[in-house]
Amino acid sequence: QSVLTQPPSVSGAPGQRVTISCTGSSSNIGAGYDVHWYQQLPGTAPKLLIYGNSNRPSGVPDRFSGSKSGTSASLAITGLQAEDEADYHCQSYDSSLSGSYWVFGGGTKLTVL
Amino acid sequence: QVQLEATGPGLVRPSETLSLTCTVSGGSISSYYWNWIRQPPGKGLEWIGYIYYSGSTKYNPSLKSRVTISLDTSENQFSLKLSSVTAADTAVYYCARHPNRRDGYNEFDYWGQGTLVTVSS
Repeated sequence: QSVLTQPPSVSGAPGQRVTISCTGSSSNIGAGYDVHWYQQLPGTAPKLLIYGNSNRPSGVPDRFSGSKSGTSASLAITGLQAEDEADYHCQSYDSSLSGSYWVFGGGTKLTVL
Repeated sequence: QVQLEATGPGLVRPSETLSLTCTVSGGSISSYYWNWIRQPPGKGLEWIGYIYYSGSTKYNPSLKSRVTISLDTSENQFSLKLSSVTAADTAVYYCARHPNRRDGYNEFDYWGQGTLVTVSS
């Protein structure tokens, strides 16, 4: 059971816009810690897609955007392309009485119809 | 361009110790945090722990009693040891880097390709 909650799957047609949610709690996202997003193509390692809630590393198209509000964050992909079909993971940090550590969502599989 | 490569045995017997090494090339191991992250087949990612170039470590509370991460700066390598493994430890193990910022505000910016470790007799 992942600390952050993501929908198992989302889908969209080429050219459409999709969003992937990432829900946390007051000990992680709600505590003000940053949310980061990773894209994992089949059989490969995760690749940093969005860092610091809404920043794109060099080389990531501006079709990808991130936002954060309260205890949740979202990844939006506009102008969907076949090459976007992948798993997407959100990541933050959790701090509570039981300890502090980096946490991930369960991942969301994006299917391009 | 920084590159990370995780290597180690692909099969470990139950109750034994899993040992992996990550070699860093294309950049210095200094001033960064070096992490191990794993992904069981068909599941999400789980952070295992990190070591800073100074040698300080931090581990996931759920794995802390079984994990040791060490560093060899002369070889630009860091290593993972996970003791008393069970089938639940079967996963792809990734090594990854995160920048030197305060905890809670750092992303994993470079990842190794991952290595599958199966725990089975």
